[in-house]
Amino acid sequence: GDSVTQMEGPVTLSEEAFLTINCTYTATGYPSLFWYVQYPGEGLQLLLKATKADDKGSNKGFEATYRKETTSFHLEKGSVQVSDSAVYFCALSGGTGRRALTFGSGTRLQVQP
Amino acid sequence: EAGVTQFPSHSVIEKGQTVTLRCDPISGHDNLYWYRRVMGKEIKFLLHFVKESKQDESGMPNNRFLAERTGGTYSTLKVQPAELEDSGVYFCASSQPWETTIYFGEGSWLTVV
Repeated sequence: GDSVTQMEGPVTLSEEAFLTINCTYTATGYPSLFWYVQYPGEGLQLLLKATKADDKGSNKGFEATYRKETTSFHLEKGSVQVSDSAVYFCALSGGTGRRALTFGSGTRLQVQP
Repeated sequence: EAGVTQFPSHSVIEKGQTVTLRCDPISGHDNLYWYRRVMGKEIKFLLHFVKESKQDESGMPNNRFLAERTGGTYSTLKVQPAELEDSGVYFCASSQPWETTIYFGEGSWLTVV
């Protein structure tokens, strides 16, 4: 079945540092890939997505590129802020024709001032 | 436009009691999903409705969980009787049939004591 693996957290960075959260996936077919974010005390929000190979999703300074050859969708941001502190989830859908999302375990990011 | 709404936001019940969680999807969204995150682990799929029909219920953990979606609008998820390991966050999500993006509610936080 489909699966998503993302780096263990927590990740602790200073403000303005560069962020990378690794995500790799296993799926048959051509899945769509997503990053969701959960801020403290809030629900899940879609951060960005990519629906085909080589697509780059971007939002709020975050980027991720769909790499089919390495089955990866790493999340990056050039300069993090304290307000980016949250749990980030990598996810996929449609790999086996299934609409439902398959999530990674989540990576907690803590940004210190 | 209203997002996905869930009720209650928090619930504390004793082992053996019954809890019913409600989800109102975004208006016009035929797809409705239930997920849960237990003890800081990954977010796991429970089931998927298309209108009032259960499209995929492969993630339902056991027969103590019953999901319904009468009339294809709102959905309920009943846990009866609740066990300690049912504690966690239950997320509802919805989407349009032609969209890859799935929109989440803020979650119902369940604590079984």
